[in-house]
Amino acid sequence: AQSVTQLDSQVPVFEEAPVELRCNYSSSVSVYLFWYVQYPNQGLQLLLKYLSGSTLVKGINGFEAEFNKSQTSFHLRKPSVHISDTAEYFCAVSPRDQGGKLIFGQGTELSVKP
Amino acid sequence: GAVVSQHPSWVICKSGTSVKIECRSLDFQATTMFWYRQFPKQSLMLMATSNEGSKATYEQGVEKDKFLINHASLTLSTLTVTSAHPEDSSFYICSARDLGAGTEAFFGQGTRLTVV
Repeated sequence: AQSVTQLDSQVPVFEEAPVELRCNYSSSVSVYLFWYVQYPNQGLQLLLKYLSGSTLVKGINGFEAEFNKSQTSFHLRKPSVHISDTAEYFCAVSPRDQGGKLIFGQGTELSVKP
Repeated sequence: GAVVSQHPSWVICKSGTSVKIECRSLDFQATTMFWYRQFPKQSLMLMATSNEGSKATYEQGVEKDKFLINHASLTLSTLTVTSAHPEDSSFYICSARDLGAGTEAFFGQGTRLTVV
């Protein structure tokens, strides 16, 4: 079984400040790791994913995440946020033998203030 | 590429009626599609895995007779909410797995269902 914990339900931050959204997971099998963003009343957009190889993954819109196997974490970071980054962010894992199936964390609401 | 279209984007129905939601992969073939449910301010919960040409696999606690899933072709899966009640009001989102890119599934825009 898998579970995903996003440690912060809400993260308020000022524009142009750095931000980190934290994600920890547990799984009895190997997994792929994902971060998605969701704007109100819309579907999900993939920000980035970790499949294998380099543990630092770069995604769209200036986001990056680092996979830490020993700490079972996959934290999302951005060095300078914009107002337009205000949205809900979801961390998710996908068992490697069940391609496409996703288990989501509870979500983190990022609120960027001017 | 990798576009998933979900229809309708929103629907209001009367209690006791049934509602069908469609999920189409527009530019790729999808042997597997997934249906998720999202309550306001909450995360997405997997309801079922839909495989083309076979019965869907439902997650624990999801009523298979209430949420009917059909995956008749490689590009279309449907979710029918039967005898809908107000507590079924939710945001339903589908995703489709590309045969040629097995590690990722692509999401539809979601359907907002309101049962009155």
